[in-house]
Amino acid sequence: DTGVSQNPRHKITKRGQNVTFRCDPISEHNRLYWYRQTLGQGPEFLTYFQNEAQLEKSRLLSDRFSAERPKGSFSTLEIQRTEQGDSAMYLCASNPGFVPRPEAFFGQGTRLTVV
Amino acid sequence: DQQVKQNSPSLSVQEGRISILNCDYTNSMFDYFLWYKKYPAEGPTFLISISSIKDKNEDGRFTVFLNKSAKHLSLHIVPSQPGDSAVYFCAASWGGATNKLIFGTGTLLAVQP
Repeated sequence: DTGVSQNPRHKITKRGQNVTFRCDPISEHNRLYWYRQTLGQGPEFLTYFQNEAQLEKSRLLSDRFSAERPKGSFSTLEIQRTEQGDSAMYLCASNPGFVPRPEAFFGQGTRLTVV
Repeated sequence: DQQVKQNSPSLSVQEGRISILNCDYTNSMFDYFLWYKKYPAEGPTFLISISSIKDKNEDGRFTVFLNKSAKHLSLHIVPSQPGDSAVYFCAASWGGATNKLIFGTGTLLAVQP
């Protein structure tokens, strides 16, 4: 399968615990995005990487959230001290980046439930 | 401030008929518009896009129309099929360094057999 892959698909955690999600983008896509989607809303932009550089972060990304893309391939999103408000679908997307078009290809998402 | 708006939460259409999904935007700096389709428990799937320099783009059963003066776009699906039943998201981008997408809240399309 050559699409965007996200793991795990589902995560249930207790409030206050740390969680980490992984995203493997489409091979050779140098742009990688994280979005968050809550019930009844469209996906909201969280952060953007071009290769290994994190170039933009949304105000939605509090200091409990950190994302990395260490070698410009896969990316991780960590949430520390989770809160119930963090419950959402976390989506990763990638874009080739070598043409100036914004079409991004999404993974299946990680559904986080904080109890 | 919702820059991309989809005012119809749901739409029901008979199989074989035309589905028209609407989207309005407020930011005149947007230079690209996209439609995504989403099934439950899956990520959004890219459908079709249009540059702001065009007013129509067609791909098979899907056509997107852009009216810049009205800041309005629409997605037409002809003929509609039961497999088209999903949530449709309109998204916009203003290019620049990130090409991040701003999404609407979605419209649930139900195509009745």
